[in-house]
Order: sequence, then C-alpha cells, then structure tokens
Amino acid sequence: QKEVEQNSGPLSVPEGAIASLNCTYSDRGSQSFFWYRQYSGKSPELIMSIYSNGDKEDGRFTAQLNKASQYVSLLIRDSQPSDSATYLCAVNTYTGTASKLTFGTGTRLQVTL
Amino acid sequence: DAGVIQSPRHEVTEMGQEVTLRCKPISGHDYLFWYRQTMMRGLELLIYFNNNVPIDDSGMPEDRFSAKMPNASFSTLKIQPSEPRDSAVYFCASSLAGLVQPQHFGDGTRLSIL
Repeated sequence: QKEVEQNSGPLSVPEGAIASLNCTYSDRGSQSFFWYRQYSGKSPELIMSIYSNGDKEDGRFTAQLNKASQYVSLLIRDSQPSDSATYLCAVNTYTGTASKLTFGTGTRLQVTL
Repeated sequence: DAGVIQSPRHEVTEMGQEVTLRCKPISGHDYLFWYRQTMMRGLELLIYFNNNVPIDDSGMPEDRFSAKMPNASFSTLKIQPSEPRDSAVYFCASSLAGLVQPQHFGDGTRLSIL
C-alpha cells in the first residue's frame, strides 16, 4: 500500500463548478498535511496547509481533514481555467528514525470552458 | 525576498559524466530537501538536511549519488557516474522548522543523461 494515494485523473470540471480532490494516507501518526499545485514544467507551489480535523478555508480553496478516516481533501470553488494543473497531496510520515514529507503522485485537474 | 535558487536549470550530458546540481535555500530556513520527480515515480525525497547536517538519506538511490551542505546557504547534489535512468527533474526545497512548516521549492533542474 502506498503511503499517500491520489487518483491520477484527469478530473474534468466545467468552469464555475466545484472541483473535489481527494487523498488518503496510511500513517496514523501524521500531523501535517499540505496541498501543492504544479503547473506543467513548473515547480510545486503551496496552496494550503492543514493540521487539525475539520475544514480550513482560504479564498476559493477549502482543505478538509479527517484523521480518523485518514483522508484529506481539497475543494476548489468557482473553478477557473487557470486552476488546470496537477495537485499534489503531501503528508508527513515517520520512518522510524526520521520524519519526512511524502507526496502523492498527484491528480491532474482540467477546467473546461 | 528571494526564493530557493537552483542551478543549472537544464543539464544535458553523456552517460558516465559527473553531474553537480546546486541549491541556495531561502535565507533563515534551517531545513533543506532534495527531491527527484519522474512521470513514473512522482516526487521522491532523496535526502534532507537540518542545520547543514544530513538527517535522512534513505531515499538516495545508490552510491553514485551524494549530497553536501557545507554551509547554511549552499548545497550540492552530485551524481558520479551518471546513467540515463537518472534523467529527471531535481528539485531543492527549504523550510523553516522542518516538516511542520511548508516547504518552498526551487524551479528545479531538468537533467537529461544521454
């Protein structure tokens, strides 16, 4: 089982709709969760961080965390074509000797006109 | 403020040659990370440093890879000898206070080994 799993997509949503991106993780001890956006040929860019159960909103973005079910999600409201990118979920995991940030393989989002 | 700076942006070299990638973290950040990204494997952590000391190098694929951080503002990732399967985008990232705080990525080095 992969440590951090995401559906690779592509997830296609029409402009103005809500895009819902999901991520599950295996390490119950994880405490820090991040969503990064990566445009093709560019570096990952931080969108949201979340550390406690519940919702965290920032503009059109809402991150949701449920530690009991071990999933974290990202909602994008009023999706725009400029939101078309790959979204990476990152979770801190423990290897027994050190901690590290583990990334999912990403979900490609396409916002259509 | 300047972000994470990586050089070179692109590197094309022949198999067997030594490759050195460079990174300057954000000033004040005490954690530095080296990642490799490929289509097949996604973004993989190779090694990370805290206060210039390597903490976890379990992601370094083999002895051909080495990384150093001689001071707080500079790190190198070296591949010697290079092989075609090392072709990937290599990212450097830095953060303040480790894995609790977000990591900020450089623009990456696109490496092609012929």
